Amino acid sequence: DAKTTQPPSMDCAEGRAANLPCNHSTISGNEYVYWYRQIHSQGPQYIIHGLKNNETNEMASLIITEDRKSSTLILPHATLRDTAVYYCIARSDSSYKLIFGSGTRLLVRP
Amino acid sequence: DAGVIQSPRHEVTEMGQEVTLRCKPISGHNSLFWYRQTMMRGLELLIYFNNNVPIDDSGMPEDRFSAKMPNASFSTLKIQPSEPRDSAVYFCASGEGEISYNEQFFGPGTRLTVL
Repeated sequence: DAKTTQPPSMDCAEGRAANLPCNHSTISGNEYVYWYRQIHSQGPQYIIHGLKNNETNEMASLIITEDRKSSTLILPHATLRDTAVYYCIARSDSSYKLIFGSGTRLLVRP
Repeated sequence: DAGVIQSPRHEVTEMGQEVTLRCKPISGHNSLFWYRQTMMRGLELLIYFNNNVPIDDSGMPEDRFSAKMPNASFSTLKIQPSEPRDSAVYFCASGEGEISYNEQFFGPGTRLTVL
């Protein structure tokens, strides 16, 4: 599975959009981009995943560049409860493994 | 559904003692994963079961670690004998299907401290 690179930390104001970037320049054609988050003292939680097209669900939006070398997770209206470590993972469609990197620690400020 | 259930939530033991961590996956899920999380190494996959059969145990650190899944609703991770370096948070996760490519559902974890 391709390696992903994320900034170690970010912050945003409550109510504003949080845009979390992820680089995956070596991603292959059958690898999906997954996002999970881990709120303090809890297990990781699935957010969203995508292959080529942009995706949206009730939690977030995922924007994948046309060349698929990078993506951005968007939390449209961040709340204090969105403070967490966010993991971007590239995963083959034939793989069960989630390989977690260091992630981005997002702090949502009041 | 109650989600993935793990017990105990916290365990403190002394070096050399046997430790058993327990997991009840979400009903209907046929994939089960054990992960370990430490500050130094982050989240690591230890073992993966599908339909109660261990498929990949390459992440199990050494022979002191063993995992079983006697039925679809229960799994254990055992450490015998335990060592201080085993101190970590251990997560169990479950998912549907063999590949679980949609999502894995994680439990709340067991925080293990080995003195």
